[in-house]
Amino acid sequence: GDSVTQMEGPVTLSEEAFLTINCTYTATGYPSLFWYVQYPGEGLQLLLKATKADDKGSNKGFEATYRKETTSFHLEKGSVQVSDSAVYFCALRGGGANSKLTFGKGITLSVRP
Amino acid sequence: GAGVSQSPSNKVTEKGKDVELRCDPISGHTALYWYRQSLGQGLEFLIYFQGNSAPDKSGLPSDRFSAERTGGSVSTLTIQRTQQEDSAVYLCASSYFHGENQPQHFGDGTRLSIL
Repeated sequence: GDSVTQMEGPVTLSEEAFLTINCTYTATGYPSLFWYVQYPGEGLQLLLKATKADDKGSNKGFEATYRKETTSFHLEKGSVQVSDSAVYFCALRGGGANSKLTFGKGITLSVRP
Repeated sequence: GAGVSQSPSNKVTEKGKDVELRCDPISGHTALYWYRQSLGQGLEFLIYFQGNSAPDKSGLPSDRFSAERTGGSVSTLTIQRTQQEDSAVYLCASSYFHGENQPQHFGDGTRLSIL
């Protein structure tokens, strides 16, 4: 079945540091890939998405590129801010009639001033 | 416009009791999803509705769990004879149909604690 693997956390960075959060997936067909973010005390929000190979999703300075050859969708940001502290989830949605999201376990990011 | 609304936001109940969790999706969204977020298991899919029918119930963990949707809108997730392992945050999401380019919008969840 479909699965998503995220790097182990938590991650603590200083403000303005470079961020990479690794995500790899296993899926049949042609999945769509997503990053969701959960800020403290808030619900899950879609951060960015990519629906086909080589697509790059971007939002709020975050980027992720759909790499079919390495089955990866790593999240990057060039300069993190304290306000980026949150839990980040990588997810996939299988192709065709499959509708459900399969999530990774999530990773907690803390950014120090 | 209003987002996905879930109630109650918190529920504490004794083991063995039944609970009902409610989800009010974004107006016009025909697809509705229930997920569960727990410490040991992360975020798990439970059930998907398209309109009032549920084409995919594969994530329901046992026959104590059921869900329905009426009028293509509000959905209720019912857990009978609750067990301590049912303690989790139950999340509801909705989207326009189930097309690949339709993102799922999540509610804030119901935090369920079984004593």
